[in-house]
Amino acid sequence: DQQVKQNSPSLSVQEGRISILNCDYTNSMFDYFLWYKKYPAEGPTFLISISSIKDKNEDGRFTVFLNKSAKHLSLHIVPSQPGDSAVYFCAASGRTGNQFYFGTGTSLTVIP
Amino acid sequence: GAVVSQHPSWVICKSGTSVKIECRSLDFQATTMFWYRQFPKQSLMLMATSNEGSKATYEQGVEKDKFLINHASLTLSTLTVTSAHPEDSSFYICSAKTGAYNSPLHFGNGTRLTVT
Repeated sequence: DQQVKQNSPSLSVQEGRISILNCDYTNSMFDYFLWYKKYPAEGPTFLISISSIKDKNEDGRFTVFLNKSAKHLSLHIVPSQPGDSAVYFCAASGRTGNQFYFGTGTSLTVIP
Repeated sequence: GAVVSQHPSWVICKSGTSVKIECRSLDFQATTMFWYRQFPKQSLMLMATSNEGSKATYEQGVEKDKFLINHASLTLSTLTVTSAHPEDSSFYICSAKTGAYNSPLHFGNGTRLTVT
């Protein structure tokens, strides 16, 4: 059973515009959420995280929003750049802090 | 900071042989390391979780006698694929985290294993 879901397998955005990647989860015990970026044949790179006590966390061009009541989080990238083209995974962990559940990924293409 | 080094980055081996993959945390102590496998166009599949000095915990469906994991120190974990078969060909990725609660996983660059 997929506890973390990314329903959009792909997304295309024009350079300079906003990219919005979405993620839904089912387990209300999750309290820590992360976004990773992955290029082909490389390991994922940690981008940004948010704990359940917050609803927004910002780091440069990346902002993560958390809506606990909807069990939904999103990653905003503004402005999008061609180098942002990659697969983005969201992940969630629960109380033990030692189990991470990943979504299936969204492939982002930023068009120059 | 938080660099995880994985070696080798790619390996080709013959069916029936064993392959060892190393995962090192270079600038932090990793109390827990995780091994993932990624199939083409699919998400990361957790294979096992290892804590330093104790036996690894394997996910359902992962053969512990085939995928041997050793977490001998706070900076090194190894995955040995024993008696490899072509269906074991995949992309294996390790990750590590400190013991701090709500700390992120940091991933190695993965190992592409091809069994011929």
